[in-house]
Amino acid sequence: DSGVTQTPKHLITATGQRVTLRCSPRSGDLSVYWYQQSLDQGLQFLIQYYNGEERAKGNILERFSAQQFPDLHSELNLSSLELGDSALYFCASSPPGTGTHEQFFGPGTRLTVL
Amino acid sequence: AQKVTQAQTEISVVEKEDVTLDCVYETRDTTYYLFWYKQPPSGELVFLIRRNSFDEQNEISGRYSWNFQKSTSSFNFTITASQVVDSAVYFCALSLSEGGGNKLTFGTGTQLKVEL
Repeated sequence: DSGVTQTPKHLITATGQRVTLRCSPRSGDLSVYWYQQSLDQGLQFLIQYYNGEERAKGNILERFSAQQFPDLHSELNLSSLELGDSALYFCASSPPGTGTHEQFFGPGTRLTVL
Repeated sequence: AQKVTQAQTEISVVEKEDVTLDCVYETRDTTYYLFWYKQPPSGELVFLIRRNSFDEQNEISGRYSWNFQKSTSSFNFTITASQVVDSAVYFCALSLSEGGGNKLTFGTGTQLKVEL
């Protein structure tokens, strides 16, 4: 158990809908990262927040947005869902500072778009 | 731009065989970290090892060993005396500092199947 929690574990929804994935980092970690793992794109970095501020952006679609709240939990919002958005979404957190580069991954949220 | 290549898509071995998973990376940065993660069928990502770019010492942990060679930009992973429980997808990843943050670039993964 990494200490990173993600809810829900599974999510099934329809095309065109909007969903919110939630992540709570390990106690004391200030950074939260989101990754998407799909069959055709593999494991891809989406976005990073550090203490509420966006720090790095990867291949995140405009239909997707994220935020980190004052209590440091983060939410990833996916809207106008398409079949291709079906994937496993991981959240990771890391301690303050960039020195170790270590990221602790949550168990993931499996999103199925029908 | 950074890139991680895992050329082996799938490897099948018989239990107790040794197996090496290859990883080649590309980056212009001089400071970086390399990782290996295991993803069993249950789906979670399990951290195996982290190595920074200044430490080329090879590492052994039980049946696992890692060979880091900067000259060939490779960070290979060997499992000795493989077991059925080693069956999983293994990912190599590269971490760079960028804009005050770090991001992991993953390879496409190698599916390892260990059979009896």
